[in-house]
Parts: sequence; C-alpha cells; structure tokens
Amino acid sequence: KNEVEQSPQNLTAQEGEFITINCSYSVGISALHWLQQHPGGGIVSLFMLSSGKKKHGRLIATINIQEKHSSLHITASHPRDSAVYICAVRPTGNQFYFGTGTSLTVIP
Amino acid sequence: DADVTQTPRNRITKTGKRIMLECSQTKGHDRMYWYRQDPGLGLRLIYYSFDVKDINKGEISDGYSVSRQAQAKFSLSLESAIPNQTALYFCATSNGGYEQYFGPGTRLTVT
Repeated sequence: KNEVEQSPQNLTAQEGEFITINCSYSVGISALHWLQQHPGGGIVSLFMLSSGKKKHGRLIATINIQEKHSSLHITASHPRDSAVYICAVRPTGNQFYFGTGTSLTVIP
Repeated sequence: DADVTQTPRNRITKTGKRIMLECSQTKGHDRMYWYRQDPGLGLRLIYYSFDVKDINKGEISDGYSVSRQAQAKFSLSLESAIPNQTALYFCATSNGGYEQYFGPGTRLTVT
C-alpha cells in the first residue's frame, strides 16, 4: 500500500514545453514537500506547501488539501530540469512517506 | 560547507563484511533519519532518532543497526552485508516540521 502516488513515473519533454507532475496521497496531512533528485543522486528541497500555490522561478507547486492532491509545474522546460521529482508527506506522527518519483528528461 | 554530510560517498564491500555509514549535520536539528533508495521503490525508512537517547525502527530495519553518538552524528551499520543491501543510502535531518534536509547519499555495493 502506497500512501503517496505520483504520476507519471517517466516523462520525456522537448525543451520549452510546459510540464505537470502529479502527487496524490491517502493520509491526512498538513503539508507536502516537493524534492528534486539530481542525476548524481543528491536530493534538494524545492517547495513545502500547505495550501494554495507557491512559485519559484519557472517552478510552480499547487496543493488541494481536501482533495489530497498536489501538482508540480515547470514552465519553459530546459534540459537542466532533467531530474527525478519526489513528493513527500508527513501525517501526524513521526514518519515521512515518499512517492516513488517522476523521472523527467528534457530534450534540447 | 554542506549542512548534512555523509561518509563514505561510495563503497564496495563483500558479502559478510561489517560496514558503517556515517552522517554528520550542522543544522542543529534533533531529528535524524536513515533511508535507502532502490530503483522503482522510492525512499524507505530504516531507522530514525529524535535525540541521543531515542532510536526507533523504520519499516526496513532488519539487517541494520544505528548509533546516535551526539546530536550531530548518526551512524548506520550493516553487521553482515548481503547483496540485496546494495542501494543508495541517505541520511536526513528535520527540526520536527514538514521539511527534511538530505545528505548527498552513499552508494553501497555488496558483492
């Protein structure tokens, strides 16, 4: 049983395309975390959000707590956006739950 | 300097050997975690610790042990490594909120 589901698992896009990655979760949470894992393996934080929308550069994250769904959008995608994108949630309690990630490849 | 460091970054070891992975952090966080990542499975929790005297098993703790030597240091040991422990291992910290901060990862290969 996966508390966090991401789609698609793999995504290939042409440079400049608008990209959407989805995350659905089955547990009650107060906030959700989007992470980026570079091809070299390191994981960095992109967004933590509990409602509405956040924007950072070409990245936009939205969340609907009632519908238990979040999306990560990348506008004007670029090859350097190629990475694995992971969503994570922490329900009440001590553990974090992670999606299996969406592997994005942006072709020049 | 990185806030969360892991050593070694890469390790190849043989079946049956004992190996220790180390994690240090300068973020001042009380909570530390060890995860392993396998292709297609995402990050899975091995152990976590909320302070030096608090150690808790995660979903896949069998075959692993941990030591919290100080607030800033959390080590993961494989007492007798086996090939299916080949994976990417991450240490992470948290201040109790909804964000975690990850180390660079240790790529472990057990032959």
